[in-house]
Amino acid sequence: QVQLQQSGTELVKPASSVKISCKASGYTFTSNYMHWIRQQPGNGLEWIGWIYPGNGNTKYNQKFDGKATLTADKSSSTAYMQLSSLTSEDSAVYFCARSRYPGSGFDYWGQGVMVTVSS
Amino acid sequence: AIVLNQSPSSIIASQGEKVTITCRASSSISSNYLHWYQQKPGAFPKLVIYSTSYRASGVPSRFSGSGSGTSYSFTISRVEAEDVATYYCQQGSSNPYTFGAGTKLELK
Repeated sequence: QVQLQQSGTELVKPASSVKISCKASGYTFTSNYMHWIRQQPGNGLEWIGWIYPGNGNTKYNQKFDGKATLTADKSSSTAYMQLSSLTSEDSAVYFCARSRYPGSGFDYWGQGVMVTVSS
Repeated sequence: AIVLNQSPSSIIASQGEKVTITCRASSSISSNYLHWYQQKPGAFPKLVIYSTSYRASGVPSRFSGSGSGTSYSFTISRVEAEDVATYYCQQGSSNPYTFGAGTKLELK
């Protein structure tokens, strides 16, 4: 069965960076798109971008250009998102989610990673 | 960016009642790229309806969707206690992909 297992809770300091992971199993990692979505406390959902692990192509929401960097390791079927220059505004839950095509529905989701930015 | 205006922002319904949520887009969207999610407290969102009207795997038949262009709707024909959640529409038609603000469904 398809599973997306995300890394654990992060407590990080302002101005630092964090890299969170999403390990995929149960499907062909390189033939599907992996998206990252942010949910700030008490708020709705924001799409950050996608990566196609088959060739490493990425597409970002312009809002997250320079903030988020998406990568993927085919050998371990793991997608990564690095967030840089962290501020309190980046405190949120970050989800990875799979889609078959760039604009198709996100049919499987990771459990989410809570990132808290605090000194 | 395409803005999705979802209404109402909250619904209080009785078990067995029919509820409908609307999602209006600021620009026309292909119906292939309009999707609906259910998110229960403390959980990740779950795909319920994809491409406007197709139920995702395992989703009960009381959930349905319709629409085209800039106007879409999501209906639960007979609300059950397990349907208490926040529902979001989402478009994958143009970058950036966007979500509606959500509709919180509670039971009376």
